[in-house]
Parts: sequence; structure tokens; C-alpha cells
Amino acid sequence: EVQLVQSGGGLVQPGGSLRLSCAASGFTFSDYSVNWARQAPGKGLEWVSYFSPSTSDIFYADSVKGRFTISRDNAKNSMNLQMNSLRAEDTAVYYCARAPTRDAFDMWGQGTMITVSS
Amino acid sequence: SYELTQPPSVSVSPGQTASIACSGHKLGDKYNSWYQQKPGQSPVLVIYQDDKRPSGIPERFSGSNSGNTATLTISGTQTLDEADYYCQAWDSSTVIFGGGTKLTVL
Repeated sequence: EVQLVQSGGGLVQPGGSLRLSCAASGFTFSDYSVNWARQAPGKGLEWVSYFSPSTSDIFYADSVKGRFTISRDNAKNSMNLQMNSLRAEDTAVYYCARAPTRDAFDMWGQGTMITVSS
Repeated sequence: SYELTQPPSVSVSPGQTASIACSGHKLGDKYNSWYQQKPGQSPVLVIYQDDKRPSGIPERFSGSNSGNTATLTISGTQTLDEADYYCQAWDSSTVIFGGGTKLTVL
């Protein structure tokens, strides 16, 4: 089955770190751009980061720039989001999504909840 | 910074046509996409590149984009179309989502 399977997440204290993974099943990640987006409880979607394997472009939202790092693991056919210096306002469900063309996300992972709290 | 503005809510009767607008400066010069999200579920792409439907999306979903406004139109709206809808576009090196519109079918 073609899908994105996310792992990682949970409860972390402010200032802490966490790594999310997004594994591709049924297709090769290197053929697609990948985005991370998040959704705070009861709120709308917020884009977080973008990676293109074809151009090596990496972009971040201003809200996470310098704290989050997107990377890929070709051996595991997966993408990672390393999140450092976490803040309460980072609390959200995080989604990975693939983009066959840069402009639209045609497949989303199941989402993983990150709670930043002491 | 670039913004996409959507109405918070839209109501429609079953079988009628629902239209959800998304406005942004010169949005018509960009590709716009639309996503449907039901409670507790991941978003689903319903329109991309302004007016294209992914495979598996019913024909009652259509899109347009011109000037400063993109519009998602759902013809013959069904109760299962009740969901939150988000528009999305790129501005330079940033992805922008609209604030979302809750579509109520009643």
C-alpha cells in the first residue's frame, strides 16, 4: 500500500528536543519533495518545512528557523524532522506530506502529536 | 508577509452548491490548492494547480483562480462533504495556508 507512516512524538519539556520520522511505503521518497506541516489543537494548518531531493532546496517557516532541521534517510526511505529548543507554542499535531510537484501535497501521513509542557 | 484569507464558515443545504473563497494579493498569479480535513483525520488534497482534481476526488469538486481570489465549488453538496477546507499556495520560498473554512451541510 502506498502511504506515509509517521513515528516519534510525545511529551517533551520546554527547551527539549524530539525527532519525528516519516517513512514511505510503496514508493521511493527520493522521487518526491516532502513537507512538514503542523496543526495546533483547534487551529488551522501551518507549514513548517520543505525539502526537494531534485534541487536540494530546504525551506523553513520563520517560526521554526534555526531550531528545526529537515533531513532524509535514503537507507530507510524516510524523512526526519529534528526539533530542538522546543517551546509551548510548538505543541501541535505534526504531519509529513509528499509533493509530486512543488505546489501541492498529494499524500499526508497520519499525524503525530507533540506536546511541549513542563 | 503573504496571507490567504478564507471565511470561517459556510453553510449549504444538501444538493445545493457550496462556494468557498480564498483571497490573497495576486493569488491568480500563483498555483492554488485545496484540502479537505474531517475531524481527527489528515488533510486530503481535493484540488491542485487551481482547477485539477486528483484521482479519486468526485467530479462535484471544482476550482478556479483569478485575480485575487481562488474559489472551491462543490456542486450537489452531500452530507459527507461536511469538513474544514484549506486553501494553499506558495509565496517565494514559503508555503501559505488559509485559515480554513468550516463547511456545514444542513
